Amino acid sequence: NAGVTQTPKFRILKIGQSMTLQCAQDMNHNYMYWYRQDPGMGLKLIYYSVGAGITDKGEVPNGYNVSRSTTEDFPLRLELAAPSQTSVYFCASTSLTGELFFGEGSRLTVL
Amino acid sequence: QKEVEQNSGPLSVPEGAIASLNCTYSDRGSQSFFWYRQYSGKSPELIMSIYSNGDKEDGRFTAQLNKASQYVSLLIRDSQPSDSATYLCAALYNNNDMRFGAGTRLTVKP
Repeated sequence: NAGVTQTPKFRILKIGQSMTLQCAQDMNHNYMYWYRQDPGMGLKLIYYSVGAGITDKGEVPNGYNVSRSTTEDFPLRLELAAPSQTSVYFCASTSLTGELFFGEGSRLTVL
Repeated sequence: QKEVEQNSGPLSVPEGAIASLNCTYSDRGSQSFFWYRQYSGKSPELIMSIYSNGDKEDGRFTAQLNKASQYVSLLIRDSQPSDSATYLCAALYNNNDMRFGAGTRLTVKP
């Protein structure tokens, strides 16, 4: 059972470039989340989704976009990358219990 | 405002002692609370969840919730060096918006 799979694990971007972080879960969870974690800090919610076709903004959505066309996939799009987006990005999913299952994280550096 | 506040520490305790971690939340609408442990360079993993006022015990861990004071805590008894990690408090708000605190770094010294 793979759980939550994130790709890529590492990526270096130049300022102004765009990219998509992929997230897939095989637990049939309706709820999915994207967080970013800066060094020594907690998790900041970027976007979340309560089901296919439904997404909502979190605390820090500026500079990001998401889509949820299927239950399994929840990609995060970065447009016009900036150094402030250098961070570790975590995707997570949960059922009604609220226990989050996290992917291994994607470490992004913008230079 | 959907805020979760934690003392970022660091907190250092000797092996065998009780470690006490605290968390407050801003929105009384929250009904569910969670403690996650995160080792350096790893993903967070769930330790405890608590939904009702009072204490909830699981092995060496006890979570405490006081909704009137908007306060959540985690006690770790008989602390072990393997408990050294960052502990993240989380609150589940309406519409399944899950927010985290900044985390408290715990070091257990042998």
